[in-house]
Amino acid sequence: EAGVAQSPRYKIIEKRQSVAFWCNPISGHATLYWYQQILGQGPKLLIQFQNNGVVDDSQLPKDRFSAERLKGVDSTLKIQPAKLEDSAVYLCASSYGTGETYEQYFGPGTRLTVT
Amino acid sequence: AQRVTQPEKLLSVFKGAPVELKCNYSYSGSPELFWYVQYSRQRLQLLLRHISRESIKGFTADLNKGETSFHLKKPFAQEEDSAMYYCALSGANQAGTALIFGKGTTLSVSS
Repeated sequence: EAGVAQSPRYKIIEKRQSVAFWCNPISGHATLYWYQQILGQGPKLLIQFQNNGVVDDSQLPKDRFSAERLKGVDSTLKIQPAKLEDSAVYLCASSYGTGETYEQYFGPGTRLTVT
Repeated sequence: AQRVTQPEKLLSVFKGAPVELKCNYSYSGSPELFWYVQYSRQRLQLLLRHISRESIKGFTADLNKGETSFHLKKPFAQEEDSAMYYCALSGANQAGTALIFGKGTTLSVSS
């Protein structure tokens, strides 16, 4: 089966600019996650969707980050305006369901550099 | 606070030597613990989970609730085991499924 797709793979922007990332989960996966991975750290959850509804966005910096999952399939994550500390790899993951037995499958990530 | 600690940033061993990657956790409740691995230029992928109690690629991990540990072990390291390893804990949010990751340990196996 095709894996989780993300684009772009790399993005370089200046601070205060805006940027958007796209994620296409594995077909049939109802749960979608966005994680932020800063260099030297493990991934940290930003937002979790179940179909097209938000399950958890408690760690999403809502003053500058937004995410949506229209029609419960693809998702976009936006940053506006970007700060230097947003430089990180943004990982999208999906799973069939929400129980612990459902494996999370990760995409290749988008590496964002903010200068 | 819920937390996963991997005390070693880098572990270097010779081929054939035993490997133990340490993971300690802090969690109020019954945790679900996982090991994820990222090989060079590949995606993060699940290696094993404690509920399945299986051995994957020769690796095993036992949950020790008394010591709040979930160390990853392999008796004889192979060069292809060189990768970044992340210990993770599930149950971090109200849905019970978001993962909390440790900072990761780079395993380097040389011949």
